[in-house]
Amino acid sequence: QKEVEQNSGPLSVPEGAIASLNCTYSDRGSQSFFWYRQYSGKSPELIMSIYSNGDKEDGRFTAQLNKASQYVSLLIRDSQPSDSATYLCAVNRAGGYNKLIFGAGTRLAVHP
Amino acid sequence: SAVISQKPSRDICQRGTSLTIQCQVDSQVTMMFWYRQQPGQSLTLIATANQGSEATYESGFVIDKFPISRPNLTFSTLTVSNMSPEDSSIYLCSVEDRSRAGNTIYFGEGSWLTVV
Repeated sequence: QKEVEQNSGPLSVPEGAIASLNCTYSDRGSQSFFWYRQYSGKSPELIMSIYSNGDKEDGRFTAQLNKASQYVSLLIRDSQPSDSATYLCAVNRAGGYNKLIFGAGTRLAVHP
Repeated sequence: SAVISQKPSRDICQRGTSLTIQCQVDSQVTMMFWYRQQPGQSLTLIATANQGSEATYESGFVIDKFPISRPNLTFSTLTVSNMSPEDSSIYLCSVEDRSRAGNTIYFGEGSWLTVV
């Protein structure tokens, strides 16, 4: 089992729809969870961080965390073509410094 | 968030040579991290660099291949030694930003190396 799992996609959604990106992780001791967006040819850009169970909203983005189910998701409302990118889920490794384990990423394509 | 600058941003390197990547942060940070992203892959942590001590390497990465320096709290270098085509990757410097909410990791723009 991979430490952080994501569906590689591509996830294709129409403009204006809600894009739902999912991630599961294996380390129950993980405490910090992140979503990064990576455009082709660019470095990862932090979109959201979440540290406690529940929802966290920032503009069109909502991160959801369920530690009991070891599940974290990212919802993008009113999806725009500019949201088309690879979304990386990252989880910190428990018991130490903030070393991140990344999922393989989900490619999102928002079509007009 | 911290501003992280990397040099070079891109390079084409000859097989068997070594290249040093520099990472400069605009504020003092305790920990700096080096990641690698091979073509079509996700990010993998190479090592953690603390000022004043030896870098800590992750499984599969060794100091002889990826020597790291951390001379002060705003700067670090990663050297990719004796390069082969398999070392063609993006190398990313990152720092930890501690806030009341939690710790967040930010990345530099990356150094895109192609080994021929």
